[in-house]
Amino acid sequence: GDSVTQMEGPVTLSEEAFLTINCTYTATGYPSLFWYVQYPGEGLQLLLKATKADDKGSNKGFEATYRKETTSFHLEKGSVQVSDSAVYFCALRRNTGFQKLVFGTGTRLLVSP
Amino acid sequence: NAGVMQNPRHLVRRRGQEARLRCSPMKGHSHVYWYRQLPEEGLKFMVYLQKENIIDESGMPKERFSAEFPKEGPSILRIQQVVRGDSAAYFCASSPGTDNYGYTFGSGTRLTVV
Repeated sequence: GDSVTQMEGPVTLSEEAFLTINCTYTATGYPSLFWYVQYPGEGLQLLLKATKADDKGSNKGFEATYRKETTSFHLEKGSVQVSDSAVYFCALRRNTGFQKLVFGTGTRLLVSP
Repeated sequence: NAGVMQNPRHLVRRRGQEARLRCSPMKGHSHVYWYRQLPEEGLKFMVYLQKENIIDESGMPKERFSAEFPKEGPSILRIQQVVRGDSAAYFCASSPGTDNYGYTFGSGTRLTVV
């Protein structure tokens, strides 16, 4: 079945450091790919998405590129802030009709001043 | 424009009791989805409902769990005779249509079974 694998956390960085959170997927066909963020005590918020190969999703300084050849969708940010501390979830969804989101286990990011 | 409202935020139940989790979708959204997050795991799909209809319940445990989304009022996820393994965060999301790019998640209900 479909699955998403994320790097384990926590990822601990100093402010202004470069961030990469790895995400790879297994799915039939070409799913849409998503990154969600969960701040403490809150629900998940959609951070960015990409719907086809080579698409780049971007939002709030975060970017991720849909790489079909490596089945990856790594999340990057050039300079993290303390306010980016949260749990980040990679997810996929097939593109035909209603399809559930399939999530990775999440990666906790801790940014210190 | 309130988001997806879930209540209660925290729920403690003794083994054998019933848990009722409520979800009010965003205004204008008629599609509701429930996901469960077990400790140290990602979110897993449970059920997809439209008003008065269950569309996909492939992720629901076969026993003790049920969900409804009546014509009036919130969607309810009901867990009968709870066990310790039901302890988890339960998230509800809503969308205006079947294209679930428009998912909006609630803040979740954290169920603890003691």
